[in-house]
Amino acid sequence: AQTVTQSQPEMSVQEAETVTLSCTYDTSESDYYLFWYKQPPSRQMILVIRQEAYKQQNATENRFSVNFQKAAKSFSLKISDSQLGDAAMYFCAYRDGGSQGNLIFGKGTKLSVKP
Amino acid sequence: DVKVTQSSRYLVKRTGEKVFLECVQDMDHENMFWYRQDPGLGLRLIYFSYDVKMKEKGDIPEGYSVSREKKERFSLILESASTNQTSMYLCASSLLGQGYTEAFFGQGTRLTVV
Repeated sequence: AQTVTQSQPEMSVQEAETVTLSCTYDTSESDYYLFWYKQPPSRQMILVIRQEAYKQQNATENRFSVNFQKAAKSFSLKISDSQLGDAAMYFCAYRDGGSQGNLIFGKGTKLSVKP
Repeated sequence: DVKVTQSSRYLVKRTGEKVFLECVQDMDHENMFWYRQDPGLGLRLIYFSYDVKMKEKGDIPEGYSVSREKKERFSLILESASTNQTSMYLCASSLLGQGYTEAFFGQGTRLTVV
């Protein structure tokens, strides 16, 4: 069965600095997708960024980028120029390419941003 | 603006009560999901559905059932609520057969069973 591991329960970053959240996963599939979701205190889960496994190029979305290392099964999220609004729980998630669409989540990393 | 709406944001129920959590989406999505979120455990899948009247068990279906009579609505049922079902419940929806597609989430229902 596929698993997703986030080894950092909590992280802290100074405003305007850069932080990297770690995620590793385990799968025997070759076709899959990876996601980072953000859950602020409002509880509304929001997609931050996604990556297709067959793409070698790392995805970027404004201040958010990933380091996708397929052989190492690693999918870290880098947040540049951190802002107070980035404070949230961040969840790494995995989906099989051939699945019905079910996401498998890690346990989450709580990110605090210090002014 | 796409939406997944859960009927209650907070709910308090008594042990043994039958509890209904309702979820409605307006995006014509085939897939709908119920997750349970607990601190330190992340999100765990309870049930999902990829079509009307279809349902599939997730990782933790014990003590729960679901109903999907219409495409836009997916209900989670706690047949006899217990204190260990106190948790945050998240509903989500997505398009079927599109692995890249985003899952959209409701705002969550924080259920307390006393």
